[in-house]
Amino acid sequence: GAVVSQHPSWVICKSGTSVKIECRSLDFQATTMFWYRQFPKQSLMLMATSNEGSKATYEQGVEKDKFLINHASLTLSTLTVTSAHPEDSSFYICSASGVRGIQYFGAGTRLSVL
Amino acid sequence: GENVEQHPSTLSVQEGDSAVIKCTYSDSASNYFPWYKQELGKGPQLIIDIRSNVGEKKDQRIAVTLNKTAKHFSLHITETQPEDSAVYFCAASLTGTASKLTFGTGTRLQVTL
Repeated sequence: GAVVSQHPSWVICKSGTSVKIECRSLDFQATTMFWYRQFPKQSLMLMATSNEGSKATYEQGVEKDKFLINHASLTLSTLTVTSAHPEDSSFYICSASGVRGIQYFGAGTRLSVL
Repeated sequence: GENVEQHPSTLSVQEGDSAVIKCTYSDSASNYFPWYKQELGKGPQLIIDIRSNVGEKKDQRIAVTLNKTAKHFSLHITETQPEDSAVYFCAASLTGTASKLTFGTGTRLQVTL
């Protein structure tokens, strides 16, 4: 199967700082990347969809100025959590989709904001 | 929009037994149905998928069935092993690179020795 790499796997930061999470498709070109948030024992909640070279489309209720998404190439998308606060602590997961439309997921990033 | 319901929320089986997880979807236009396995602290892993032009698909111990008329699809795991213990998510979408997946609520499968 296709490989999606996500870094870092775990990050701890102070309240008010920004954190960047990277998502890379290693062996295929990802025309679309998705960012999800997952709370403990819950399903995945889609935050935004990004296509290479264009602005991300955010789901209702997701603050686009807080969760900045960049999809600069067909293999890389980044999510920046700006001015992070404890309520932003969560498990963030990216997925990448190529020409077949199948989403392959990264391993996730656990964010803890102190 | 699409809505996917998944049952049961937890499932405990003995090693060697079969496990069945069921999902229903609401949007008859959905035509792609993947299943993901998520282990603790990891991202979801695609284990099998089915498209609406097929009624059943099998890959070793895993099979998926789809009933378009009733709008439900099921995951079947035979000869379960302890390493099958995980959370399983069903999902539904339209085909296409930018299509969003609508996930079920997940089933926590526990395979006991």
